[in-house]
Amino acid sequence: DTGVSQDPRHKITKRGQNVTFRCDPISEHNRLYWYRQTLGQGPEFLTYFQNEAQLEKSRLLSDRFSAERPKGSFSTLEIQRTEQGDSAMYLCASSPGSYQPQHFGDGTRLSIL
Amino acid sequence: EDQVTQSPEALRLQEGESSSLNCSYTVSGLRGLFWYRQDPGKGPEFLFTLYSAGEEKEKERLKATLTKKESFLHITAPKPEDSATYLCAVPPPYDYKLSFGAGTTVTVRA
Repeated sequence: DTGVSQDPRHKITKRGQNVTFRCDPISEHNRLYWYRQTLGQGPEFLTYFQNEAQLEKSRLLSDRFSAERPKGSFSTLEIQRTEQGDSAMYLCASSPGSYQPQHFGDGTRLSIL
Repeated sequence: EDQVTQSPEALRLQEGESSSLNCSYTVSGLRGLFWYRQDPGKGPEFLFTLYSAGEEKEKERLKATLTKKESFLHITAPKPEDSATYLCAVPPPYDYKLSFGAGTTVTVRA
């Protein structure tokens, strides 16, 4: 069990630039989730995949955000035209099935200059 | 529509001083209550899942319990390495995502 892996761990970018994050879930897990966490708060749900299908998106996920999970393996989260308010920790989690524990990666810390 | 409320926000303990954290939830038809530990700069680390009222789970100095409206995380004789933020989460009805509380930050002084 190698755990959930996220890359990069830290990203610093200028406002208006595009950024992309990658998540490699635990290999036997078919469900993959993206969350966003700001200081002092619990993680907030962004989107969810079962295999390659994106089944749910939060209203937090504006049209500047897009996520993919090609072939039901790794996933990418892209933010276009970044804004100051996008600064946060972006967390990825995976689980083997419904209502099973979600296992989290260590996140990507995004800082917008 | 807060579904999960955690208290207190912060807890400062002396090493060996036992205490409890509270997680209140409002969802009906609970499909599991999840406890996580989060260290600074890291992702949440899974601790326990509780599925039905009366259930209890233990791991080292931690014990989680569940009633129909709340869960408690008891820390017995804590050590400095138990210092972390403890998060609880539930899935909303008919949904698979997790709705998290804001967490309780525990600091244990030697």
